[in-house]
Amino acid sequence: QVHLEQLGAGLLKPSETLSLTCAVSNASFSDHYWSWIRQPPGKGLEWIGEINHRRTTYYNPSLKSRVTISIDTSRSQFSLELNSVTAADTAVYYCAAGTIYFDLWGRGTLVIVSS
Amino acid sequence: DIQMTQSPSSLSASVGDRVIITCRASQSISAYLNWYQQKPGQAPKLLINAVSSLQSGVPSRFRGGGSVTDFTLTISNLQPEDFATYYCQQSYSFPRTFGQGTKVEIK
Repeated sequence: QVHLEQLGAGLLKPSETLSLTCAVSNASFSDHYWSWIRQPPGKGLEWIGEINHRRTTYYNPSLKSRVTISIDTSRSQFSLELNSVTAADTAVYYCAAGTIYFDLWGRGTLVIVSS
Repeated sequence: DIQMTQSPSSLSASVGDRVIITCRASQSISAYLNWYQQKPGQAPKLLINAVSSLQSGVPSRFRGGGSVTDFTLTISNLQPEDFATYYCQQSYSFPRTFGQGTKVEIK
């Protein structure tokens, strides 16, 4: 069974860089697209972006200037970096498998941005 | 960006009721419409993809329908475990976008 385990820090100060990794087990990396999605507390879901095994990326234009999604196929991991964070970036960040639909999700990481 | 608008934002229903949640896209999205269920403290769970294709293990009381810009999620014979928030999501184009969610509460 495919499993997505999220790794990374959950407390940041404004202007710092958010860095999260999603470790994938029991899946072929080339069979999926890999996405990041976030959810501010008490609010809805926002798609951040995705990457495939060829390292082709698509980003949400609203975040594109600050986002980098990368992939390490040798370690079956993909990562999210979001720079210059503000309080508005406080959210639960999910990694997920898929592009047309998201059928596998990590458990989520609460990232709080506070001075 | 394609805007996804769900209605209602919340509803109260009783066990055994039938509820209908609607999702409207700001432009045609063909059949690229998915539905998710999210319970408090949990990640969303994919229920239906491509308008009406039920995921394995999802009870048949969940049904999706619609086309072009207007879509529905129908839950028949509402069960206690169905009280949750439901989101629609389009994958017709980038960026992928979600509806704002519909919270189904116990009456």
